[in-house]
Amino acid sequence: QKEVEQDPGPLSVPEGAIVSLNCTYSNSAFQYFMWYRQYSRKGPELLMYTYSSGNKEDGRFTAQVDKSSKYISLFIRDSQPSDSATYLCAMSSPRADMRFGAGTRLTVKP
Amino acid sequence: DTEVTQTPKHLVMGMTNKKSLKCEQHMGHRAMYWYKQKAKKPPELMFVYSYEKLSINESVPSRFSPECPNSSLLNLHLHALQPEDSALYLCASSQGQGADEQYFGPGTRLTVT
Repeated sequence: QKEVEQDPGPLSVPEGAIVSLNCTYSNSAFQYFMWYRQYSRKGPELLMYTYSSGNKEDGRFTAQVDKSSKYISLFIRDSQPSDSATYLCAMSSPRADMRFGAGTRLTVKP
Repeated sequence: DTEVTQTPKHLVMGMTNKKSLKCEQHMGHRAMYWYKQKAKKPPELMFVYSYEKLSINESVPSRFSPECPNSSLLNLHLHALQPEDSALYLCASSQGQGADEQYFGPGTRLTVT
């Protein structure tokens, strides 16, 4: 079993849709959870950083962490074609370096 | 400013060449990282420097040699690479190692011929 599981997709939605991206993990020591957006041939860009369970909102993006279920989510409201990218979840603990999910390829169609 | 810069953007090298990749950050971060990313795969950790000392080497072949001249700079020296080493090489930095969010540079796209 991989430490971090993420469905690679691809996921295709119409413009304006709500997008839900998810990751599960097995290591209960993870405390810090991140979502990165990566455009083709570019470096990952940090979107959201959350600590422990709960929700965090930033503009059209909402990150949720449920540590009891070992499940994290990223929601994108009013999706735009410019949101088309690969979304990587990542997580770490004070004693362990970051572990990435496989990345989900998202296409938002006009 | 959360910028990490990397040079060159693209590099083509033969299997007998020696080249270096460079990374720079001016955020006062004390941890810096090298990752390798193949197409449609997540980044794979290669090396971690914490306070300018190598703290993690993820069993990377010796043809990759990292160097941290100071707290702002990170180099990756390349020698006798193989075609399968062709990939996007990413540098990242964070305030400290482990818990803090990492900021990535744009990467160097390396092709080994």
